[in-house]
Amino acid sequence: QLQLLESGPGLVKPSETLSLTCNVSGGFLNISGYYWGWIRQPPGKGLEWVGSVFYSGTTYYNPSLKSRVGISIDTSKNQFSLKLRSVTAADSAVYYCARERRQEWLVSAFDVWGKGTMVTVSS
Amino acid sequence: SYDLTQAPSLSVSLGQTASVTCSGDKLGSKYVSWHQQRPGQSPLLVVFRDNKRPSGIPERFSGSNSGGTATLTISGAQPMDEADYYCQAWDSSTTSVVFGGGTKLTVL
Repeated sequence: QLQLLESGPGLVKPSETLSLTCNVSGGFLNISGYYWGWIRQPPGKGLEWVGSVFYSGTTYYNPSLKSRVGISIDTSKNQFSLKLRSVTAADSAVYYCARERRQEWLVSAFDVWGKGTMVTVSS
Repeated sequence: SYDLTQAPSLSVSLGQTASVTCSGDKLGSKYVSWHQQRPGQSPLLVVFRDNKRPSGIPERFSGSNSGGTATLTISGAQPMDEADYYCQAWDSSTTSVVFGGGTKLTVL
């Protein structure tokens, strides 16, 4: 059974870089038809897509975050990572990693989610 | 940017049918997924590709998408269905994933 688990610091200082890793177990990253994504949720608010990566390294980012975000993948370690630069309090959120089903053109669905990890931006 | 609009809240009586809607420009030309999020839990995919149910999702969950509105229908609503529901789509013009703002469903 595929499982995703986020890890990383729970507290990041303003202007610094938020770094998170998603470890995948029970399956492999290098499969066709699936991307691997990051989604965040500020406390009490809705879901916001951050970006997604394919096992080849191809990435797609939320246009509103594109200038600050980077997502990478390491298939040998079965993990993918998020870096968000120059963070502010507005970046405080629960960050989820998830598998994104993209087996058909125009179809996108996050079908397996991690438990999420809370990241607070504060000095 | 492409926007998906959902009503913030919806109430349904126990055993009745709930219709959660999501609207967007020419949304019928895109494929919509729906996620359920119970308090304190991670989201759970309940419908994808407009009207497909993942394995393990009860038949009372169904979806449709036409024109500018996608609808998640929950037939015979149960107390366990009380949750936030988010629609999601892929916008090819901006090559980005979009989520709706979410609808909080209350089962009375």
